[in-house]
Amino acid sequence: IQLTQSPSFLSASVGDRVTITCRASQGISSYLAWYQQKPGKAPKLLINAASTLQSGVPSRFSGSGSGTEFTLTISSLQPEDFATYYCQQLNSDPPTFGPGTKVDIK
Amino acid sequence: EVQLVESGGGLVQPGGSLRLSCAASGFTFSDHYMDWVRQAPGKGLEWVGRIKNKANSYTTIYAASVKGGFTISRDDSSNSLYLQMNSLRTEDTAVYYCARVRLCGSTGCYRALDYWGQGTLVSVSS
Repeated sequence: IQLTQSPSFLSASVGDRVTITCRASQGISSYLAWYQQKPGKAPKLLINAASTLQSGVPSRFSGSGSGTEFTLTISSLQPEDFATYYCQQLNSDPPTFGPGTKVDIK
Repeated sequence: EVQLVESGGGLVQPGGSLRLSCAASGFTFSDHYMDWVRQAPGKGLEWVGRIKNKANSYTTIYAASVKGGFTISRDDSSNSLYLQMNSLRTEDTAVYYCARVRLCGSTGCYRALDYWGQGTLVSVSS
């Protein structure tokens, strides 16, 4: 299963609402996770099962979607949110990652 | 506290071998599937492979790019995960992460990677 993410790069300001889209080449129900990765650090799981926020993740993050189209939304971008975001499909092996979306400071 | 600590990375010549280790603590290691994920310099995440738990016969699954060259194993008695890498190529240069796979929950089996190590760098170069 192939995943695409859009945009590849996003320039935004603190306080902006940001939406990242992940599309799967075939239906994966809600078997999708979102990760955040900051430079030089390991990825961090943000959302599992397309919309379930991991413990400790701020509520400004939310996920939605099912089937082939999914979104990660940050309701009000904070300075610590500037990072690269990856989706991963969990529906079938191999559990592939999307190519990533880099969120940068405008 | 869940901790995953990788070791064993370094510089190796093309065609050489390297064995990575991942020491796990703070959770019941034997219950979990474990994954290896890599990231080439400046690139995205690439899933490498998985080893399941004893209940699932320690079954291993690999990405097509490493199948036949890499072998994942585990030692539940010492809470350790391993990645044996043979016939290394320059394109295997990457930071290698071990990651814990979430257990199934009441709402289903969504096997996301909920804890990651800090990574270990493997450089393949002559």
